[in-house]
Formats: sequence, C-alpha cells, structure tokens
Amino acid sequence: GQQVMQIPQYQHVQEGEDFTTYCNSSTTLSNIQWYKQRPGGHPVFLIQLVKSGEVKKQKRLTFQFGEAKKNSSLHITATQTTDVGTYFCAFPRGNQFYFGTGTSLTVIP
Amino acid sequence: NAGVTQTPKFQVLKTGQSMTLQCAQDMNHEYMSWYRQDPGMGLRLIHYSVGAGITDQGEVPNGYNVSRSTTEDFPLRLLSAAPSQTSVYFCASSSWTREQYFGPGTRLTVT
Repeated sequence: GQQVMQIPQYQHVQEGEDFTTYCNSSTTLSNIQWYKQRPGGHPVFLIQLVKSGEVKKQKRLTFQFGEAKKNSSLHITATQTTDVGTYFCAFPRGNQFYFGTGTSLTVIP
Repeated sequence: NAGVTQTPKFQVLKTGQSMTLQCAQDMNHEYMSWYRQDPGMGLRLIHYSVGAGITDQGEVPNGYNVSRSTTEDFPLRLLSAAPSQTSVYFCASSSWTREQYFGPGTRLTVT
C-alpha cells in the first residue's frame, strides 16, 4: 500500500488549547486533501493543497503543504467542542485515492 | 440536490449471503468510488469508476463487484459475505476538482 503516516492517532485537548495533526508521505504528492469526520458521520471535505509550501487558512484552521510536497499539517487554534472528530489527509495517485489513518480529536470542555 | 445517497443505512447478513449496497449521486460527477472504513485503518478504496461503463479495482477489491451503467448509480455487490467484510461502507463522488462528496454510509455486520 501507499506509505502515508498520520500522527498522532489520538489527541485529547482542553477546550481552548491548540491542536495539530501531521501527514507524512514517503513519496512526493501531487496534491493533498483534508477531511473531517464527526463521530457517527461521514467524511467532509475541508481543503485541497496543491503548491509546494502552500498555506491556507479557514477561520481557526491552518493547513500547510511542505516544501518537498511530502508532508502536510492541519493546525487548529483555540479548539472548541465543535472541533471534535477524526481528521484525515488524503491524496490521489492516478485515479485512486489514499487516506491516512486519521487523528481522532477529543476536546474536553 | 440530495448529493450522495446510500441504502441501506444498516444491514446484518449471515456468512455466505449476497447483497447489493446502493449508491446514487445527482451532481453529474464522473468519478465515483467505494470505501470501507475499519477502526484504526482509515478509509480503504474498494472499487472506483471514472465514468459510465468504466470501473477499476482499488486497494481492497476481493469479494466485491461493481458496475456503472449510468452516471448517477454505482452499486457495490458482496458476492458471498464473510465476517471480515463487517465494516462501514462509504460511497463518494467527485468532479474534475477531485473534492470528494461522501454518502452517509452503510453499517454492515456479517455473522
């Protein structure tokens, strides 16, 4: 299978703390996507990064694509209980998509 | 628009039974795919289609068949259910931008 590591697997934070998840590939990626899945729900697309070194922001979420296009991160500033869920990175290779194993975020009020 | 719909939401099968999971999308997307989600393993691609009449295998295709006779529909068939196929199944569709829209999922238990 494709070599994509996503860390950490689990993260518990106090509400208001920051959170970061990392996606690391052994090979160069053409682009990377991030999805969020709420407990009991389905994955929902958040963003796609294409360019080397790209940084995109969505309110409290900051997404980065590494200079070598082999890693990416999602950072949430001042977490809220609505941020609870599992965050996945995903990337295409040809016509196939591969997903990371996900980071499950728990926010303690 | 309904987006991506899947039926049934829940299903229990006995080992050896067959069934079809239905998936439909109303966004005129060319690309459709099926994933299974197991704890700690993320989503794994079973089969995908880049257009009507065209299907191909993903990462974990064994025990599953698909067909794509129309742009809208992409059913997944389990030929002879096994306990290892107990999982949550998601159908997804996307346009040329590759942003994937997922259905609500089917929770399948094989006893």
